[in-house]
Amino acid sequence: ETGVTQSPTHLIKTRGQQVTLRCSSQSGHNTVSWYQQALGQGPQFIFQYYREEENGRGNFPPRFSGLQFPNYSSELNVNALELDDSALYLCASTFSGANVLTFGAGSRLTVL
Amino acid sequence: AQKITQTQPGMFVQEKEAVTLDCTYDTSDPSYGLFWYKQPSSGEMIFLIYQGSYDQQNATEGRYSLNFQKARKSANLVISASQLGDSAMYFCAMREGPRAAGNKLTFGGGTRVLVKP
Repeated sequence: ETGVTQSPTHLIKTRGQQVTLRCSSQSGHNTVSWYQQALGQGPQFIFQYYREEENGRGNFPPRFSGLQFPNYSSELNVNALELDDSALYLCASTFSGANVLTFGAGSRLTVL
Repeated sequence: AQKITQTQPGMFVQEKEAVTLDCTYDTSDPSYGLFWYKQPSSGEMIFLIYQGSYDQQNATEGRYSLNFQKARKSANLVISASQLGDSAMYFCAMREGPRAAGNKLTFGGGTRVLVKP
C-alpha cells in the first residue's frame, strides 16, 4: 500500500480561473471522496465517486466537478474560481463498504 | 442545528497526562458511525478510532479510547499518557446511515491540542 497522494501541494490562482487537483488512491480503493477545508474549520464533503460515477454530493455548486479513473486516480475540477474557494482540498479513498477513509495530505489552493 | 459540535477550540495538556476531547452529535438515523481524526500541521487527516452506533463496547485503539454515551449523543475521545507528538488538531466526524451509505462524513470544528513538556 502506498497511501493517498495529492498534487500539487500548493498552488495560487486568480479569480475566474479554472483549477484541476489530482489524487492517487491506494490500489483497490474503488471509492474516492473530496473535501474542502477552509482555514480554521473542519472539512466539508464535496462529492464521492464509486466505480467512476458520482454517487453523492454535498452542498457545492456544479462548477465543482470530478472524475475517477480505472487506475485509482481521480481529479477535482473547479471552474470560475472565487475568493472563497481558497482552502485545503482533501482527497480520501476506501474500499466500498469499509469504515475508514484514508486521507491524503491535501492541496492548498489560494485564489487571489 | 449543528450535526457535530466540538466545544473546546483549544487545550493545553501536560506530557504524560490524559486528556479528554468533547464531541456531541445530532442525528435521527439509528445507524451511524463516529470517527476521530488527527490533523497535524502537515494537513493529512490521520484516522484514530471508530465507534458504530450499534457497538456495545466503547472503542479502544492503543492510547486512544472513545467514551460513547448514546443517550447523551456524545462521543468523547480520551488520549492517555500524552506525548509531544500528540500536538495537533483533532476532529470528530459522523457518517449517517450504514457503511454502504458511503463516505460522506460530517466534521466538527475541531479542537487544537498542545502538549507541554
